Amino acid sequence: KQEVTQIPAALSVPEGENLVLNCSFTDSAIYNLQWFRQDPGKGLTSLLLIQSSQREQTSGRLNASLDKSSGRSTLYIAASQPGDSATYLCAAEGSGATNKLIFGTGTLLAVQP
Amino acid sequence: NAGVTQTPKFRILKIGQSMTLQCTQDMNHNYMYWYRQDPGMGLKLIYYSVGAGITDKGEVPNGYNVSRSTTEDFPLRLELAAPSQTSVYFCASSYSSRGFVADTQYFGPGTRLTVL
Repeated sequence: KQEVTQIPAALSVPEGENLVLNCSFTDSAIYNLQWFRQDPGKGLTSLLLIQSSQREQTSGRLNASLDKSSGRSTLYIAASQPGDSATYLCAAEGSGATNKLIFGTGTLLAVQP
Repeated sequence: NAGVTQTPKFRILKIGQSMTLQCTQDMNHNYMYWYRQDPGMGLKLIYYSVGAGITDKGEVPNGYNVSRSTTEDFPLRLELAAPSQTSVYFCASSYSSRGFVADTQYFGPGTRLTVL
């Protein structure tokens, strides 16, 4: 059974700092790995999706990497801004499942001005 | 496009009452999903549908029912509300054609349900 873990549960950084959020998964047979952002009281917004055949994806200041062999993904945020403050969730989609995402519990990020 | 819309935004139920959470998407997505999110936890899949007339159970289906009569709508039914169903419910949709299209899921804003 796939399990997804995110460490740390919470992170506070000063504005301008580069940071890395971590995501681990137990079953390497995944179809893709997705990163989402959730603002308080809101739904989830997709940030990046990495297919199993890919090693990384980039969007603006965000870069996500995937290492299936070690069961790890990282989300790198460059030059953090207060507007980046949110909860970041990763989710793994199993290769044998029908778009079933298994979510981690998220990392709550606070970027201090 | 409005994307994925959910109604109501908030609801308080008494134990044993029933209700339907509505979800509509206007992106012509074939896949739709219902998740629940408990405080401090990730999302757990309740039910999903791969097309009109086809539904299947997710991780936590007990106490819920769904139907999918159209591509656009995917209502979630709670028949006998229990305190354990207090949660935030999210509906999502995606277009999935395995091997050809990235399966990004688009989420609605959520329904916050309290059962007392």
